[in-house]
Amino acid sequence: ILNVEQSPQSLHVQEGDSTNFTCSFPSSNFYALHWYRWETAKSPEALFVMTLNGDEKKKGRISATLNTKEGYSYLYIKGSQPEDSATYLCALSGSARQLTFGSGTQLTVLP
Amino acid sequence: DAGVIQSPRHEVTEMGQEVTLRCKPISGHNSLFWYRQTMMRGLELLIYFNNNVPIDDSGMPEDRFSAKMPNASFSTLKIQPSEPRDSAVYFCATDGNTEAFFGQGTRLTVV
Repeated sequence: ILNVEQSPQSLHVQEGDSTNFTCSFPSSNFYALHWYRWETAKSPEALFVMTLNGDEKKKGRISATLNTKEGYSYLYIKGSQPEDSATYLCALSGSARQLTFGSGTQLTVLP
Repeated sequence: DAGVIQSPRHEVTEMGQEVTLRCKPISGHNSLFWYRQTMMRGLELLIYFNNNVPIDDSGMPEDRFSAKMPNASFSTLKIQPSEPRDSAVYFCATDGNTEAFFGQGTRLTVV
């Protein structure tokens, strides 16, 4: 059974601030770690997939790192904008790519 | 490609009625997943298929839930009889060996 924990549960930041949140997992027995962005009333949208210890991925102002040895992944947003407001989900995938999700971090960027 | 298509988008039904949720996967994706989103449990995997064959249904909460994938372009999730605690958003997702793509979800309300 894969266990995924995310913190904080929610976060409010001012426009222009940079922020980060954490996904932690006690076991490295998974195929890949995924970050999803989920806006209200929409479907979760994939941001990153990472598999190797030390992986770093970047997409615009958003980046993520993976440390499988210590059991965590960070998601960073540089210069937050109101349109970044969403729930950010971390998930671990098994060999069949079935996903076990954390509870998410709800980000609100205040203008 | 229109992405993963789910229908209906919203469903309100009375307790005891049969409910059928439908999913059309992205063409060429050979893995299909059904997830359920609730406030209490977050996003949880119900069942997944690979090449139309059910692989793991251990997430299906009760025998009232059943899922089928008669061909590569169609899957259903059925609840019979439905109960108020089944109220949730049900997502279908498909995977083409890289990442999962989610449908818009079906918001089910059982009254």
